[in-house]
Amino acid sequence: DIQMTQSPSSLSASVGDRVTITCRASQSISSYLNWYQQKPGKAPKLLIYAASSLQSGVPSRFSGSGSGTDFTLTISSLQPEDFATYYCQQSYTHPRGTFGQGTKLEIK
Amino acid sequence: EVQLVESGGGLVQPGGSLRLSCAASGFTFSSYEMNWVRQAPGKGLEWVSYISSSGSTIYYADSVKGRFTISRDNAKNSLYLQMNSLRAEDTAVYYCARVGTQQVWDVWGKGTTVTVSS
Repeated sequence: DIQMTQSPSSLSASVGDRVTITCRASQSISSYLNWYQQKPGKAPKLLIYAASSLQSGVPSRFSGSGSGTDFTLTISSLQPEDFATYYCQQSYTHPRGTFGQGTKLEIK
Repeated sequence: EVQLVESGGGLVQPGGSLRLSCAASGFTFSSYEMNWVRQAPGKGLEWVSYISSSGSTIYYADSVKGRFTISRDNAKNSLYLQMNSLRAEDTAVYYCARVGTQQVWDVWGKGTTVTVSS
């Protein structure tokens, strides 16, 4: 099974900050990497797919990069509504798409 | 509006059964693969089961294989998850999720809560 490891597990930041979250796969997954945002009590929301493609309707301050085993999600200028938990997910072994453990982004 | 709405969750004793439903609207349900995903309290996301658009191909996570059964009724725009022999570790919010283009899970329901406890 492919394991997905995110870092950090939690992160404190301020509005306006630039934030980067990292996701590492235990083996190469090409660009089959997606990012989701989840707010408390809500369903996950797709942000980025295929490592770097922005889902329709998602603000352009979100971006993704990487291929192979190492990937990043960057938020260029944090907004109040961005404080949430972020998950990476590999879809290389579709439909058995495994998730990272999550990164909780909190207000400093 | 594209929408998925889960129902059927509740409190059940260990060893019991529940049937979850997911009602789809706003898109051609029969054209899309579907998944069930769960999230235990305070934990991350775990894929549970997959079904192809026709229902001919089905997969399960090892943690539920032999106990859970996924199915769909394309005429009723509905997805189901029959859960038997429930365990405390099955306690979670269960989401249905659509598989969109490029195998991305692009639409999710709000979830239904399953609690397994005596």
